[in-house]
Amino acid sequence: NAGVTQTPKFRVLKTGQSMTLLCAQDMNHEYMYWYRQDPGMGLRLIHYSVGEGTTAKGEVPDGYNVSRLKKQNFLLGLESAAPSQTSVYFCASRPTGTGGLGETQYFGPGTRLLVL
Amino acid sequence: DAKTTQPPSMDCAEGRAANLPCNHSTISGNEYVYWYRQIHSQGPQYIIHGLKNNETNEMASLIITEDRKSSTLILPHATLRDTAVYYCIVRGYLWGQNFVFGPGTRLSVLP
Repeated sequence: NAGVTQTPKFRVLKTGQSMTLLCAQDMNHEYMYWYRQDPGMGLRLIHYSVGEGTTAKGEVPDGYNVSRLKKQNFLLGLESAAPSQTSVYFCASRPTGTGGLGETQYFGPGTRLLVL
Repeated sequence: DAKTTQPPSMDCAEGRAANLPCNHSTISGNEYVYWYRQIHSQGPQYIIHGLKNNETNEMASLIITEDRKSSTLILPHATLRDTAVYYCIVRGYLWGQNFVFGPGTRLSVLP
C-alpha cells in the first residue's frame, strides 16, 4: 500500500492563479481531510469529507474548495491564490470506526505551496 | 472538543526516557487522548492513543491519570530520530468533532 499520497510536492503560484491539489489514498478509508500548516504552528483543518460525494467546512475554509468525486481521491482547489495561502498542505484519511484506533488519521507527505 | 496544554519545548539526552506531559483538564468521558508526532516537515505520524487505562505499543507508552485530566507520553529510550514536534490531541467520537492540532511540544534529543 502506498498509503496517502499528495500531488504535487511543491508548487509556486502567482497571485490570482488557480490550482488543484490532489490527495489519493489506497486504504479504502471513508474520511478524508485537508489541513494547512503555517511556520511554527499546528495544523488547521480546511475541509473534510465523510464519504464519496460529501464535503464539509473545517476551521479555515475561506478561499478553498474541495471535491470528493471518487472515494480514494480528495481534491483541494484554490480559485484565486493569495500570498496568505502560502503554506504546507497536508491530506489525511481514516476509516469509519468510532473511538480509539478507528479515529486514527494517516497523513500524506505534504504539498508546499508558495504564492508570490 | 477538550483543549490541551503542552510545554513548547523539551530536551532529552539520547538513550534516556523522554516524558512529555499534556494537560486536558476539560476532557469528557467519551474523549480519547491521541498522540502524534511530526518529524521535520513530514506529515504527522500516529503514535498511540488511550481512553482510561495506560497503553503501550512498540513506539511509546501512554500514562493517563486516574481523573483523566492529564497524560504523559513516554519514549523509553529516546534516539536522535525521535527529535520532532509531539502533539497531544483530545477527541470524542461524536459527529462533527475533528482533531485540533495545537502547537505541540518540540522535543530535542541531544547526543
